[in-house]
Amino acid sequence: EIVLTQSPATLSLSPGERATLSCRASQSISNNLAWYQQKPGQAPRLLIYDASNRASAIPARFSGSGSGTDFTLTISSLEPEDFAVYYCQQRSNWPPFGGGTKVEIK
Amino acid sequence: EVQLVESGGGLVQPGGSLRLSCVGSGFTFSSYWMNWVRQSPGKGLEWVATIKDDGSEKYYVDSVKGRFTVSRDNAKNSLYLQMNSLRAEDTSLYYCARGRGYNYDWGQGTLVTVSS
Repeated sequence: EIVLTQSPATLSLSPGERATLSCRASQSISNNLAWYQQKPGQAPRLLIYDASNRASAIPARFSGSGSGTDFTLTISSLEPEDFAVYYCQQRSNWPPFGGGTKVEIK
Repeated sequence: EVQLVESGGGLVQPGGSLRLSCVGSGFTFSSYWMNWVRQSPGKGLEWVATIKDDGSEKYYVDSVKGRFTVSRDNAKNSLYLQMNSLRAEDTSLYYCARGRGYNYDWGQGTLVTVSS
């Protein structure tokens, strides 16, 4: 079983600031990691797959990096619509999802 | 445009059954693995089940094995989740999602509430 640990649980930032979210796997998952954004009342949306590839129509301010066990989602300059919960997900084994990081307005 | 529309949720008593459906459009349904993912109120995402594009392989989270069955009808572009012996802890919003490994597209979900 591979466990994904996301940190911090909550990130309090202001619009325009840089957000750095972490996802750590309990064992190596190569680059088999995705990031999702979920806003209240909405379904999750795929942002990043294979650790660093942006999904279709995802703005360039979102970037992913990492491999092995340590991964990062960076939002270069927070827009008002970016305040949401972010989940990482691995596809190497089950269970797939991390616990989430909430990015809230400071 | 890819669309996934779930239905079939509702209020059911503990021990009861429900069958969820998901209809896909805007893509070749028969070419994609499909998934069910659930989310309890105020909680995170939990993968529930996955079915291969041709239905020949199925995978489940341990907590639903023996109670839930995932199936599909590619002629109807439809995915199903038969849920039996429902428990209070199965109360969640159930999403269907498209993709093998990653969930590239999601429906809006259907709410299942298990309560007496």
